[in-house]
Amino acid sequence: SQTIHQWPATLVQPVGSPLSLECTVEGTSNPNLYWYRQAAGRGLQLLFYSVGIGQISSEVPQNLSASRPQDRQFILSSKKLLLSDSGFYLCARSDWGGNTIYFGEGSWLTVV
Amino acid sequence: GNSVTQMEGPVTLSEEAFLTINCTYTATGYPSLFWYVQYPGEGLQLLLKATKADDKGSNKGFEATYRKETTSFHLEKGSVQVSDSAVYFCALRSLNDYKLSFGAGTTVTVRA
Repeated sequence: SQTIHQWPATLVQPVGSPLSLECTVEGTSNPNLYWYRQAAGRGLQLLFYSVGIGQISSEVPQNLSASRPQDRQFILSSKKLLLSDSGFYLCARSDWGGNTIYFGEGSWLTVV
Repeated sequence: GNSVTQMEGPVTLSEEAFLTINCTYTATGYPSLFWYVQYPGEGLQLLLKATKADDKGSNKGFEATYRKETTSFHLEKGSVQVSDSAVYFCALRSLNDYKLSFGAGTTVTVRA
């Protein structure tokens, strides 16, 4: 199974508020996990990826952070949201040793 | 580094027309190549893939052939339907690389 659960699906938050987006995956152990962002009318930007528990690589410096407290859980956070954080956030996975990346249904974040 | 260039949209077609979306890439070694589709308001779905030269990926009437000599992976469909209206992303992943490199996406609208 390549099932990826993301929540919340939609979120409206004021500027300066915190953020927590959660992603859990089903299937094989030790998947690679990813957070991508898609701003309105733009392409996909890789934010973070993780190859194991507690191992996070950041692709773009910003006010977001990611954590992987369990093998199949990946959390995207912010202490203080900016207007520019608005967008569509996608969690993704690939199986260990696999070359295909699968995406979740995404979370819409609007910062007002 | 790796990069993907795909034709800019938007592309508007009539039902049953032929669709081609060009995609070329730059990569070291022998990457795997992918096409993803994003229907309105949804996450990305893997449409098809190819992992080595001359491989043809196919799904839902779409096809793309991995052309190493021209570093291309053009997407084609012989007769599009209204339900094919979506954004299409070309992507690559190099061996031993954790992440995908995406093209900018091509918006396709099919009119009845």
